[in-house]
Amino acid sequence: GQNIDQPTEMTATEGAIVQINCTYQTSGFNGLFWYQQHAGEAPTFLSYNVLDGLEEKGRFSSFLSRSKGYSYLLLKELQMKDSASYLCAVRGKYGNKLVFGAGTILRVKS
Amino acid sequence: GAVVSQHPSRVICKSGTSVKIECRSLDFQATTMFWYRQFPKQSLMLMATSNEGSKATYEQGVEKDKFLINHASLTLSTLTVTSAHPEDSSFYICSARDGQSQETQYFGPGTRLLVL
Repeated sequence: GQNIDQPTEMTATEGAIVQINCTYQTSGFNGLFWYQQHAGEAPTFLSYNVLDGLEEKGRFSSFLSRSKGYSYLLLKELQMKDSASYLCAVRGKYGNKLVFGAGTILRVKS
Repeated sequence: GAVVSQHPSRVICKSGTSVKIECRSLDFQATTMFWYRQFPKQSLMLMATSNEGSKATYEQGVEKDKFLINHASLTLSTLTVTSAHPEDSSFYICSARDGQSQETQYFGPGTRLLVL
């Protein structure tokens, strides 16, 4: 089976740093994705990790440890517009379908 | 990034009617497209994987005769919700995988379906 866990909600202050964790247990692994989704809109791609380590892209960074089944998304210099749901998704070994976590609702307060 | 469009963006229909949703990859060829459904405050649930020129692969619990998928070209996949009922009201989102890039799925803007 496949199981992906993320915190349900987080709150952080504008200008701060926040880390959203994701743990997964899947039958095979071929990449982990982070997406941002604003209410009523489709997800937008943020990052992709397939090897262990940190991938940095501007204010967003994503980390992966395959041995621990663990990833995190790091958001720096938080802005109000970063308030959204952040989805962790894992691609299995075979095929290309993604299995999504339930998402973490991030609220940025001033 | 790559662009995926969906049409319509919003549709309201009567119970018992059928609704067709189109998903297009605008600047790349998509050998594989995916159809998701998302209920309010829930995550995306994969309904089916659509492969160009072959039958779609449905996830467990998804009725293939109710949710008809056609992927006739490398840039277009359609989802038809047949004999829609109020419980089919949801946010339907497609995504497409670029055949050249094996990494990323790009999502369409979604279609909000309301069945009265």
